[in-house]
Amino acid sequence: AQTVTQSQPEMSVQEAETVTLSCTYDTSESDYYLFWYKQPPSRQMILVIRQEAYKQQNATENRFSVNFQKAAKSFSLKISDSQLGDAAMYFCAYRSADSGYALNFGKGTSLLVTP
Amino acid sequence: EADIYQTPRYLVIGTGKKITLECSQTMGHDKMYWYQQDPGMELHLIHYSYGVNSTEKGDLSSESTVSRIRTEHFPLTLESARPSHTSQYLCASRQSGGNYGYTFGSGTRLTVV
Repeated sequence: AQTVTQSQPEMSVQEAETVTLSCTYDTSESDYYLFWYKQPPSRQMILVIRQEAYKQQNATENRFSVNFQKAAKSFSLKISDSQLGDAAMYFCAYRSADSGYALNFGKGTSLLVTP
Repeated sequence: EADIYQTPRYLVIGTGKKITLECSQTMGHDKMYWYQQDPGMELHLIHYSYGVNSTEKGDLSSESTVSRIRTEHFPLTLESARPSHTSQYLCASRQSGGNYGYTFGSGTRLTVV
């Protein structure tokens, strides 16, 4: 089974600054999908960004971008110009071909944004 | 706005009671999933379904059961609730062959006393 590791339980960033959240994963598959989800206190899971492994170009969505290093099995999330509304739990996830293509989540990183 | 609905949002129930957590989606997605989120926020897959009349157990052993009689409905049942079942339960769905997007419900926070 694939494992997803988020080594930073908590991170803090000042408003308007940039922060990078780390994620590594373990897989023997060559084609797969990776995701970053945000879970605010409301508990609704919100998709932040998605990366297809066969694409070499790093995905970007406005202030959010990823650094996808396939050989290193690394998938970090960069948040630029951080806003107070970015404060949440962030989960890195791997879409497995097993278990009905369920998402396999890391343990999460709690992001605090300070004024 | 979520197209997947979970009820109730919060539930406090006594030990030994039978409960059913509801999950319904209006998108016609074939695949559906139940995750258990522990107090430390870690998410564990407990059940999934490929479609109608298909149910499978996930990675985390769970005493709950599920059914999928209709495409849009994927309820989770605990026959006899225990304090160890206290957790947040998240339902999700996706369509095979689509844009690989997953839709999540708002969750049910269950407390067993």
